[in-house]
Amino acid sequence: GENVEQHPSTLSVQEGDSAVIKCTYSDSASNYFPWYKQELGKRPQLIIDIRSNVGEKKDQRIAVTLNKTAKHFSLHITETQPEDSAVYFCAARWSGGYNKLIFGAGTRLAVHP
Amino acid sequence: ETGVTQTPRHLVMGMTNKKSLKCEQHLGHNAMYWYKQSAKKPLELMFVYSLEERVENNSVPSRFSPECPNSSHLFLHLHTLQPEDSALYLCASRGDGYTFGSGTRLTVV
Repeated sequence: GENVEQHPSTLSVQEGDSAVIKCTYSDSASNYFPWYKQELGKRPQLIIDIRSNVGEKKDQRIAVTLNKTAKHFSLHITETQPEDSAVYFCAARWSGGYNKLIFGAGTRLAVHP
Repeated sequence: ETGVTQTPRHLVMGMTNKKSLKCEQHLGHNAMYWYKQSAKKPLELMFVYSLEERVENNSVPSRFSPECPNSSHLFLHLHTLQPEDSALYLCASRGDGYTFGSGTRLTVV
């Protein structure tokens, strides 16, 4: 069935450290993997995404890697800042149609000054 | 503003009330979604509308009734809800990824 697992559920780092969040997906035909950041009381916002035809994508301090064979993808945040504190959700687009996204359970990231 | 607007932002309703949530998008997208976000759970897909036709209903109880009168508007009609239905209800429209609205925080008392 459609499933995305996300780990860890909580992550606490010191400012300046790196943070890594990992997700695995079950639909081998998934071809699009976005990451969303949700700050407290706000809507989820797309921060980076990757398609299945590339293995890595970077945007300043954020990078995403994809291993299609293993069906897992990861979010990497370098030089973390307190404003990076939020809940991060990974998602995989289900191949069955309608661009349906299946979300992971989320990772609560806390960056301590 | 993201282009996806949800109203109201907050709603408190009794179990016997009838209310509606509204979502409006002006992004030219042709698919819209209702998600439920509860504490410590993944975002749960409730309904998918594509070209104004409901194409998926993920076993959602009949006390939730969606309506999509046109490609820019999506409603979620609520009737005789239960306290466990209290959650953040998010609307999204499809671009490459999703663009989410700010959500309606629903509390059922």
